[in-house]
Amino acid sequence: QVQLVQSGGEVKKPGASVKVSCKASGYSFIGYYLHWVRQTPGQGLEWMAWINSNSGATNSAQKFRGRVTVTRDTSISTVYMELADLTSDDTAVYFCARDLDGGILPDYHFGYWGQGTLITVSS
Amino acid sequence: EIVLTQSPASLSVSPGERVTLSCRASQSVGSNLAWYQQKPGQAPRLLIYAASTRATGIPARFSGSGSGTEFTLTISSLQSEDVAVYYCQQYNNWPPMYTFGQGTKLEIK
Repeated sequence: QVQLVQSGGEVKKPGASVKVSCKASGYSFIGYYLHWVRQTPGQGLEWMAWINSNSGATNSAQKFRGRVTVTRDTSISTVYMELADLTSDDTAVYFCARDLDGGILPDYHFGYWGQGTLITVSS
Repeated sequence: EIVLTQSPASLSVSPGERVTLSCRASQSVGSNLAWYQQKPGQAPRLLIYAASTRATGIPARFSGSGSGTEFTLTISSLQSEDVAVYYCQQYNNWPPMYTFGQGTKLEIK
C-alpha cells in the first residue's frame, strides 16, 4: 500500500532553515508528482510546491518562491522540502502528499498524505 | 487567485441526519474540485474528486455535486465517525496553484 513517512518535528530559530523529508513506498516512485502542503491555524491549508519525481522539475506557489527548495533522491524514494529564512509565521504542520493518479502533468488533487511534521519557529 | 469559500464554518448535527456542506469558488473551476476529511491529529483524506467521484474506499453515504462555482458535499446519514473538518480544494492551471477552502467543522449533536 502507498505510504509516505515524514521526518520528525523540529524547533528552529527565526532566520534559520529547515529540511523535511518524505519517504515513499508501495508504488513506483518516479511515476508520480509529490507535493508539499502546510497547515497553520491562521492560513489553514496552503499548497507550497510540487516536484516531478522522475525529472526533478519543480514548481512552487508565488508566496514561497525563493524560499522553498524541493529535491528528491530516487535511489531511496525520498523527497525533501527545505524552507529558508524562517519566521514565526512558518510555524505549521508540513505534509507531503502524492498525486492520486500518475501522469506527465501534476494531478488536480492529492490522493495520499504523509503523517505531517510539526515545525515550530521560536526564539 | 481563485478563492474558495465554505459554509457554514461549523455545524452540529444529530446522528442519522443528512448533512450538506457548501463550497463556493470566486470564479468557475469547471468540475475541478475535491473534498477532504480531516480528523484531529491526522492528515487530510481524499473523499471526492472531480466534483462527484468518490475516492477508493469512501462510503457511499458521501456524495459530491456541482460545477462552475457552486459545489456541495452531502453525507446522507451522519455517523459518529464522520466528526471532522471538511475542506474543498481546487487546482488552477495558471498560475499553477492549488487552493483550499477554510474548512467546515462538523460535530455530533
